[in-house]
Amino acid sequence: DAKTTQPTSMDCAEGRAANLPCNHSTISGNEYVYWYRQIHSQGPQYIIHGLKNNETNEMASLIITEDRKSSTLILPHATLRDTAVYYCIVRRNEKLTFGTGTRLTIIP
Amino acid sequence: DAGVIQSPRHEVTEMGQEVTLRCKPISGHNSLFWYRQTMMRGLELLIYFNNNVPIDDSGMPEDRFSAKMPNASFSTLKIQPSEPRDSAVYFCASSSMGGSPLHFGNGTRLTVT
Repeated sequence: DAKTTQPTSMDCAEGRAANLPCNHSTISGNEYVYWYRQIHSQGPQYIIHGLKNNETNEMASLIITEDRKSSTLILPHATLRDTAVYYCIVRRNEKLTFGTGTRLTIIP
Repeated sequence: DAGVIQSPRHEVTEMGQEVTLRCKPISGHNSLFWYRQTMMRGLELLIYFNNNVPIDDSGMPEDRFSAKMPNASFSTLKIQPSEPRDSAVYFCASSSMGGSPLHFGNGTRLTVT
């Protein structure tokens, strides 16, 4: 699976949009971009995934650049409960390979 | 839907003892995954099954670890004998085949003293 690069940590004010970047410059044409998050002491939680087009669901939006070498996860109105480690994963087959992720802290 | 169910939630055992972790996947899911999480190594895939058949066990650390899936609704991960370095949180996840998202359980925190 293609390697991803994410910032180690980020802060965001409560109520503001949280924008989490991810670089995946070696992504192949058939590999999807997946985002998961892990809140302390819980299992990883699926957020969203996409191939080429931007995607939106009830949790977040995923913006993938046209060359697919990077993406951004957007939490539109961050709450304190969004404090977690966020993982960007490039997935080719059935396996998910987790990196170290971004620790997002929402500030009151 | 109850989600992926793991038991026990916590397990404390002494070195040398056998440990069995259990997982019930989401009904209708065909694929099951076992992960281990430690501070040093993060989340690592140990093994995964498709339709109850082990597909890739390259992440299983050594022969002390074994996993089975006797039917579509149950899987076990066994460590025999356990060692202190096996202390970690073990997660089970399931998905429909074809690359659909994995859904994780809340894990079993194993402590081997």
